[in-house]
Amino acid sequence: KAGVTQTPRYLIKTRGQQVTLSCSPISGHRSVSWYQQTPGQGLQFLFEYFSETQRNKGNFPGRFSGRQFSNSRSEMNVSTLELGDSALYLCASSFTGRNTEAFFGQGTRLTVV
Amino acid sequence: QQQVKQSPQSLIVQKGGIPIINCAYENTAFDYFPWYQQFPGKGPALLIAIRPDVSEKKEGRFTISFNKSAKQFSLHIMDSQPGDSATYFCAASKSGAGSYQLTFGKGTKLSVIP
Repeated sequence: KAGVTQTPRYLIKTRGQQVTLSCSPISGHRSVSWYQQTPGQGLQFLFEYFSETQRNKGNFPGRFSGRQFSNSRSEMNVSTLELGDSALYLCASSFTGRNTEAFFGQGTRLTVV
Repeated sequence: QQQVKQSPQSLIVQKGGIPIINCAYENTAFDYFPWYQQFPGKGPALLIAIRPDVSEKKEGRFTISFNKSAKQFSLHIMDSQPGDSATYFCAASKSGAGSYQLTFGKGTKLSVIP
C-alpha cells in the first residue's frame, strides 16, 4: 500500500513569491492535515481537510491556505513568502481525522531566500 | 501556551539501555496520545499510541505508560539499539470541537551509542 506522497521534496523560493505544495494521501484516507516543522517552533498544525471541507485551522496568517479535491488529494498554498516561512511542510493522512492513526509523508523542504 | 511539554530535549544512552522520554499535558480534553519517531530527512512515523482508559501499552520494544491523574505519559524503549537513534515526539489530540489536529511536544533527540 503506497504511503503519503508529497511533492515536490525541495523548493527554493524568493521572498514575495507564492508556492503550492501537493499531498496525495494513503488510498482510502479522507482526512488530510498539514503541519509546519521548524527547529524553533517544532511541529505546528496548519489545517485539516475532510471531504473537501476545512474542518480545523491552526494559528497561522491568512497567507497560508489549502484545499482538498474530490480524490482526497490536497494542496497548500503560501502567498507573499517571508523568510520565516522556511520550514519542512508535512502532510498527514488518516481515515477520519478524529483521534485515529495519522501517517505522515516525507515532507516538502521550503527555503525562502 | 505549550499544551504538551516534553523532556528531556536530548538523551544519550548506551546500547541495551532503556531511554525514557516524558510528556505532560494541560488540556484534560485530550484523549489520544501517539508517539512518533523521526529520522533526519524523513517525516514522523507513528510508533505507538494510547488512550486514557489504559495505563500501559506495549508494542515490541516500545512501551507507553500513562498516568491520567498526573496528566503525564512516557515512552520507554527496551534494549535500545543504535538504529533507534532518532528524534521522538509525543502528541495529543481530543474528541469534539477542534479534534482534527495533533498537538506535539518539542521533541527528544535520542542517541544510542554502541
